[in-house]
Amino acid sequence: IVMTQSPATLSVSPGERATLSCRASQSVSSDLAWYQQKPGQAPRLLFYGASTRATGIPARFSGSGSGTEFTLTISSLQSGDFAVYYCQQYNKWPWTFGQGTKVEIK
Amino acid sequence: QMQLVQSGAEVKKSGSSVKVSCKASGGTFSNCAISWVRQAPGQGLEWMGGIMPILSATDYAQRFQGRVTITADQSASTAYMELSSLTSEDTAVYYCAVVYSTSSTEYYWGQGTLVTVSS
Repeated sequence: IVMTQSPATLSVSPGERATLSCRASQSVSSDLAWYQQKPGQAPRLLFYGASTRATGIPARFSGSGSGTEFTLTISSLQSGDFAVYYCQQYNKWPWTFGQGTKVEIK
Repeated sequence: QMQLVQSGAEVKKSGSSVKVSCKASGGTFSNCAISWVRQAPGQGLEWMGGIMPILSATDYAQRFQGRVTITADQSASTAYMELSSLTSEDTAVYYCAVVYSTSSTEYYWGQGTLVTVSS
């Protein structure tokens, strides 16, 4: 299953909203996770089940979608949110990851 | 809330093997499907393979076939990933991840294990 993220880079001002997309080449039901990764750090799980927040993830992050189309929304970007975001399907082996969306400061 | 605790960092010589463990607690191990994912420096996340202990079923990514072995000890609630014929390109952080299925499905990751391969 090929996971395609868009855009590759998103330039956003602090306080603005960011919307990231992830598309699967075939249905993955709701078996979709989102991760945040900063340079030199391990990936941080944000969501699983497409919309279930992992422990400690603030409410300004939201995940939605099912089947082949998924969205990660950050309602009001804070300085710590500038990072690379990955989606991943775990519906079928082999698990596959998107290529990432870099959220940068505008 | 399930917790996954992985074994510690390893330094290995080229040509040798490494075995990383992942111990699960806070849930029923037989309800787990365990995968191993790695991330080499500056690279993306890469699925290596997985195991469903209750079915004794495994699957491996094609590029690791013949070189990776994933096993599970249900009595110890622990999964293992062994990678052989190590090269410097296997230097990476290795993660276990669990899809935990009961009446709902939950998803957990271990803290990662750094494996450094030197010549």
